[in-house]
Amino acid sequence: SAVISQKPSRDICQRGTSLTIQCQVDSQVTMMFWYRQQPGQSLTLIATANQGSEATYESGFVIDKFPISRPNLTFSTLTVSNMSPEDSSIYLCSVELRGLANTGELFFGEGSRLTVL
Amino acid sequence: AQSVTQLGSHVSVSEGALVLLRCNYSSSVPPYLFWYVQYPNQGLQLLLKYTSAATLVKGINGFEAEFKKSETSFHLTKPSAHMSDAAEYFCAVSAGGFKTIFGAGTRLFVKA
Repeated sequence: SAVISQKPSRDICQRGTSLTIQCQVDSQVTMMFWYRQQPGQSLTLIATANQGSEATYESGFVIDKFPISRPNLTFSTLTVSNMSPEDSSIYLCSVELRGLANTGELFFGEGSRLTVL
Repeated sequence: AQSVTQLGSHVSVSEGALVLLRCNYSSSVPPYLFWYVQYPNQGLQLLLKYTSAATLVKGINGFEAEFKKSETSFHLTKPSAHMSDAAEYFCAVSAGGFKTIFGAGTRLFVKA
């Protein structure tokens, strides 16, 4: 299993500002994922972050809005840039542990709840 | 391509009653199937998973799910609901190296 710590757990931000969310994993992992969960909705994958390469963004998400860093195998950051009220969501960091039994099981951090005023 | 459909955005049961949360999937290759639970103000936690072994899968907290290929279903059950089971439940599918797809979620309410 993996233990994932996210910071901040919640924040209230002003329109037009940016916020960086940090994700720390207690073991080395290849693949890290950033999800968005809008109020009352399911999870939407923003991007996949692999160490040593550029993040891969899903349709509807762009690097200028959601820049991601992945400096090593245990850490990643997601920045939400130029925020608007529509960015108010829970942002979740997730990892997949790959080994002999690669079943795609995901482990999640507790999420960062952002409110944009 | 893969997809997941959860039937019922809200399910309400009495404490001690059977819990049944429905999930149907679509996948072009043999899938891995998951149920995750999200308690208030927390991230998601794996309840159980199907990975092509036994079709009846037992998970944590007394939950189980049965993979039925003919019905493309993976419904989640628990014989007796407890107040602490109140949460959001997500069915998810992963297959062939593709990214995990989550269902819309079902919020379970447990009445005393």
